[in-house]
Amino acid sequence: GAVVSQHPSWVICKSGTSVKIECRSLDFQATTMFWYRQFPKQSLMLMATSNEGSKATYEQGVEKDKFLINHASLTLSTLTVTSAHPEDSSFYICSARYTKRGAYNEQFFGPGTRLTVL
Amino acid sequence: DAKTTQPPSMDCAEGRAANLPCNHSTISGNEYVYWYRQIHSQGPQYIIHGLKNNETNEMASLIITEDRKSSTLILPHATLRDTAVYYCIVRGQSYNTDKLIFGTGTRLQVFP
Repeated sequence: GAVVSQHPSWVICKSGTSVKIECRSLDFQATTMFWYRQFPKQSLMLMATSNEGSKATYEQGVEKDKFLINHASLTLSTLTVTSAHPEDSSFYICSARYTKRGAYNEQFFGPGTRLTVL
Repeated sequence: DAKTTQPPSMDCAEGRAANLPCNHSTISGNEYVYWYRQIHSQGPQYIIHGLKNNETNEMASLIITEDRKSSTLILPHATLRDTAVYYCIVRGQSYNTDKLIFGTGTRLQVFP
């Protein structure tokens, strides 16, 4: 399958600072990227969907001003957690999909980024 | 509103077949059944998907009942590396229904 990478794989930051997480599709062009969050022992929760060149669509209850998503190119999306607080500590996972009419649009996941806010 | 129901946990002996059930009684005609798994602290891995026919690939087999209200993922010869959380997901194919929404999944423990 196709490869999706995330950087960094883990990050520790102080409360009040902002953290940027990158998601890249390495061998395909991702017209759509998704961001998920996962707390310990819980399932993945979809945060937002972004299409290249468009504003992200956020799921209900996700603060768009706190979780800034940019999908400026077909191979890169970024998630910025602004003014991070300890409750934002979580495992953030991105996934990417090449959307083509009539084709099977499989979704590939990155390895995740573990964010710890002190 | 969960679209699928899975047992929270299952055990399987190494080398035996692991049969993971999933109920999706409200599935609509154009929705597919997808299976992903997540090994601890990693991103989910695609396993298989199907619409109405049974499917098989190098990883697993997917058996879908005729009424499509339930399905079973079969790992024919489970290994210790198959220990993971397995997610059964119903996904549409049109805008706004084609997102992968994860439920609670089944934690499969393969033991020696």
